[in-house]
Amino acid sequence: QQPVQSPQAVILREGEDAVINCSSSKALYSVHWYRQKHGEAPVFLMILLKGGEQKGHDKISASFNEKKQQSSLYLTASQLSYSGTYFCGTDGGATNKLIFGTGTLLAVQP
Amino acid sequence: DAGVIQSPRHEVTEMGQEVTLRCKPISGHNSLFWYRQTMMRGLELLIYFNNNVPIDDSGMPEDRFSAKMPNASFSTLKIQPSEPRDSAVYFCASSLLGLVNTGELFFGEGSRLTVL
Repeated sequence: QQPVQSPQAVILREGEDAVINCSSSKALYSVHWYRQKHGEAPVFLMILLKGGEQKGHDKISASFNEKKQQSSLYLTASQLSYSGTYFCGTDGGATNKLIFGTGTLLAVQP
Repeated sequence: DAGVIQSPRHEVTEMGQEVTLRCKPISGHNSLFWYRQTMMRGLELLIYFNNNVPIDDSGMPEDRFSAKMPNASFSTLKIQPSEPRDSAVYFCASSLLGLVNTGELFFGEGSRLTVL
């Protein structure tokens, strides 16, 4: 079952912050986050494993709450280069299949 | 290091024709995934292989689709016969570990298929 992301789209000015949420109806073992720029392939950002950990990557960080079956991606002081579509990928652990969410289009304007 | 290599990058064909998409994973990676991306459905997992063996093909739409991985450095996705609704970008991705939940996916640049 495909995880649901919110919001579907967000427009920011440079320097503003954003939060992207990912929610699954199934128990999760891990959550991946990827960014895809227009016309390009998805690029890996980070993996969060079961345990409620929070990871950071420059000014992009994420949290994972396996009890709520949710993950959030935090983009701080956004830059033009952050523009793209963000996908979460969830893995229930039993099958090792990575199922991607519905995607969130992020546009950062000068 | 070369990344995941897919060919062709673009394919335009007519309904009913056979289409073969090719993928060369990153050397040393032992898991390979085929995804399809459309505006309506997003990124759908079609099939994945571990050590050249198909593990889960439940995402393959129908019998018109087939995938093979004859060796660790090559995989094909075949559509026969093709239909207009198969138009999409098909991505191949590979992973270093056998367990996708602990390894990032490296995507190829995709094959954009248009079926007229």
